Amino acid sequence: DVKVTQSSRYLVKRTGEKVFLECVQDMDHENMFWYRQDPGLGLRLIYFSYDVKMKEKGDIPEGYSVSREKKERFSLILESASTNQTSMYLCASRNRGQVQPQHFGDGTRLSIL
Amino acid sequence: KNEVEQSPQNLTAQEGEFITINCSYSVGISALHWLQQHPGGGIVSLFMLSSGKKKHGRLIATINIQEKHSSLHITASHPRDSAVYICAVSVYTGNQFYFGTGTSLTVIP
Repeated sequence: DVKVTQSSRYLVKRTGEKVFLECVQDMDHENMFWYRQDPGLGLRLIYFSYDVKMKEKGDIPEGYSVSREKKERFSLILESASTNQTSMYLCASRNRGQVQPQHFGDGTRLSIL
Repeated sequence: KNEVEQSPQNLTAQEGEFITINCSYSVGISALHWLQQHPGGGIVSLFMLSSGKKKHGRLIATINIQEKHSSLHITASHPRDSAVYICAVSVYTGNQFYFGTGTSLTVIP
């Protein structure tokens, strides 16, 4: 079974802090994704990566950056956290190919005070 | 832009009832996915389908490619089915998925 592990289930940070969310997958998947999930808005793509050191902006990249130095690890960085970044963050990975499911981590509920 | 629309947004059912959740999409897809999210956050994939019908236990998913519509059915619903059900589509171009906003299901004993 694919395992996607997010480093924290709950995180509380202060406005202006630099925040790192880590995600690790154990199935050698090429594609990894970061989403945020807000009530009434569903999942929105922040960034995705299709290979090591490669990244593409999603629908809402502003205020975020990502890092993929190793194939199994995809990090989301909030450069200067703001209260409107309080949300549930979900990481996913997927094998290359057109008809492949995404595998999700358990999510990180991030609160910015 | 809403590439994927789900209905209803919220659904409350009595234990044992037959439940249907609907999903319509407006883009060309390589596959449609039904996902389940329990309170606490983790999302699991229930079905991935590109044609016809799939069944797993009490869950049935169907898709009509011509009408760009899919349904998720739950037979003999149970309180443990209470969750958010999310419809998503994967497209031929690029790596992105498009997600519906989810249907929150509560099954009352």
